Amino acid sequence: EDKVVQSPLSLVVHEGDTVTLNCSYEVTNFRSLLWYKQEKKAPTFLFMLTSSGIEKKSGRLSSILDKKELFSILNITATQTGDSAVYLCAALNRDDKIIFGKGTRLHILP
Amino acid sequence: KAGVTQTPRYLIKTRGQQVTLSCSPISGHRSVSWYQQTPGQGLQFLFEYFSETQRNKGNFPGRFSGRQFSNSRSEMNVSTLELGDSALYLCASSLDETSGGLNTGELFFGEGSRLTVL
Repeated sequence: EDKVVQSPLSLVVHEGDTVTLNCSYEVTNFRSLLWYKQEKKAPTFLFMLTSSGIEKKSGRLSSILDKKELFSILNITATQTGDSAVYLCAALNRDDKIIFGKGTRLHILP
Repeated sequence: KAGVTQTPRYLIKTRGQQVTLSCSPISGHRSVSWYQQTPGQGLQFLFEYFSETQRNKGNFPGRFSGRQFSNSRSEMNVSTLELGDSALYLCASSLDETSGGLNTGELFFGEGSRLTVL
């Protein structure tokens, strides 16, 4: 059965810290890996990763995919209280099925 | 540009009843997908519609159904409600016309409909 596992499930850090969120996947006919941020209810898109080893960057956020080891990481540097959210990882397969992980709840203390 | 609109935002039903949820996608988006989010299972894919046709379906029982209208608005229906159907139901639209609407991975989510089954 296809699955996406995120770790840790929750994380509390202080403002200014750097965090690394992990996502591993076992998905048949894997196509791409997606990251979303869910602050209240509506998740918002962060990254889509299809190629191994190529870092995607947006401001203080960056992500990379390792298709050999079947995982991805999301890094957030110089964290701010506005980064507090649930971060969702999802795998997309070639049949266009999307499988989400349960998310990592990140809380940034001021 | 208006975002994805879901109605109702909150509703309470009792076991055995049925419910219909509505989703209006962003103007111009023809792909609409539905997801169920619970604390235990996380976000799970229900189904996806494009041009009034269901293109993809998750692993949910037949009590969960949906449809899409010619203006791309979509509805999902859950019949014979069970306690375990209590969840946040999220709708997402996409500009992509490829199957699944996920060529770029960018889904635009609505605020969701919070269903409580008593």
